[in-house]
Amino acid sequence: AQSVAQPEDQVNVAEGNPLTVKCTYSVSGNPYLFWYVQYPNRGLQFLLKYITGDNLVKGSYGFEAEFNKSQTSFHLKKPSALVSDSALYFCAVGEYGNKLVFGAGTILRVKS
Amino acid sequence: DAGVIQSPRHEVTEMGQEVTLRCKPISGHDYLFWYRQTMMRGLELLIYFNNNVPIDDSGMPEDRFSAKMPNASFSTLKIQPSEPRDSAVYFCASSSTGRHGEQFFGPGTRLTVL
Repeated sequence: AQSVAQPEDQVNVAEGNPLTVKCTYSVSGNPYLFWYVQYPNRGLQFLLKYITGDNLVKGSYGFEAEFNKSQTSFHLKKPSALVSDSALYFCAVGEYGNKLVFGAGTILRVKS
Repeated sequence: DAGVIQSPRHEVTEMGQEVTLRCKPISGHDYLFWYRQTMMRGLELLIYFNNNVPIDDSGMPEDRFSAKMPNASFSTLKIQPSEPRDSAVYFCASSSTGRHGEQFFGPGTRLTVL
């Protein structure tokens, strides 16, 4: 079965510093990988996805993610964090039938 | 496009009462998903439909939970009878074939069972 792991419950970073939110995956075959963000009292919002092609995927709000097949990782990154980036971030892997398997989520706190 | 619409946004009810949550997916989407989110259990997939047909309901916690999709533009999730442990935020999401699983989430319904 497909699965993803987010090893950090929370990531703290200072505003203006680069941020990384980690995700590793376990799949059979080629993975479809996703990042979603959830702001307080809101539904999840799509940030970016990797299907095939360039290992560096660019998404919304200046976020990007790097697909690393040898390390089975798909870490979310941003060069310069904003306080408004503070939210709950979910990594997910695609399964059959448009189904997504989500990780447990990582709280990102950006302090000014 | 209005996005995925859920109603009500908040529901407070007493234990034993029937609760019905509603969802209108994005027009043209052929997949619909119901999720539940709690602090303890995180985000759980309850059931999903493809072309109005339930495909996987293995996440439905008990027989007290049921879901229907009578047409492409409407789905309900019903809990009867409700219990305090059902308190959670329930999300509906939709997607379309060909988008490799990209799902669009509604704002959620916050259910509190007293």
